[in-house]
Amino acid sequence: KQEVTQIPAALSVPEGENLVLNCSFTDSAIYNLQWFRQDPGKGLTSLLLIQSSQREQTSGRLNASLDKSSGRSTLYIAASQPGDSATYLCAVLPYGGSQGNLIFGKGTKLSVKP
Amino acid sequence: GAVVSQHPSRVICKSGTSVKIECRSLDFQATTMFWYRQFPKKSLMLMATSNEGSKATYEQGVEKDKFLINHASLTLSTLTVTSAHPEDSSFYICSAPGHRNTEAFFGQGTRLTVV
Repeated sequence: KQEVTQIPAALSVPEGENLVLNCSFTDSAIYNLQWFRQDPGKGLTSLLLIQSSQREQTSGRLNASLDKSSGRSTLYIAASQPGDSATYLCAVLPYGGSQGNLIFGKGTKLSVKP
Repeated sequence: GAVVSQHPSRVICKSGTSVKIECRSLDFQATTMFWYRQFPKKSLMLMATSNEGSKATYEQGVEKDKFLINHASLTLSTLTVTSAHPEDSSFYICSAPGHRNTEAFFGQGTRLTVV
């Protein structure tokens, strides 16, 4: 059974710091991995999607890596800003599944202090 | 990117009443939509898959008679929580796959509180 774990559960950093969020999954048979951002009481915003054949994806100050064989992904946020404060979710799409089969981690709650 | 609109964003209802949540794909057609639930400090969990023109499929442990799903058109799926109880209080969110079926577009979510 696929399980997704995110560490740490919460993180507080001063503005301007670079930071790394971690995601691990137990079954490497995945189609892709996505990082989402969730603001309090709001929906999900897709940040980055990494296909199983890819090693990383970049968008602005965000960089996500994927090591499928070891079951790990990281989300790197450069020069953090208070506006980055949110919960970051990692989700994997098991191989052969449709988007409804996304398996989510519990998220990392990030707080960036001015 | 594609837009999924979910309404309402927040609802408070009394025990025993029913609540309907709507999920619309605004600029694309979705023959399938997904409904998730998220309890506090827990992961998002898939509840059911809504299929346009046919019955929804429910995940194990989800009561189909309590969570009624209707997908009457290619752009609208509704989730009705019937005879709501306080334990149904949760964050409900829908998603629709993109045309490549490997992307998901999520609604804004609905915070349901049953008092």
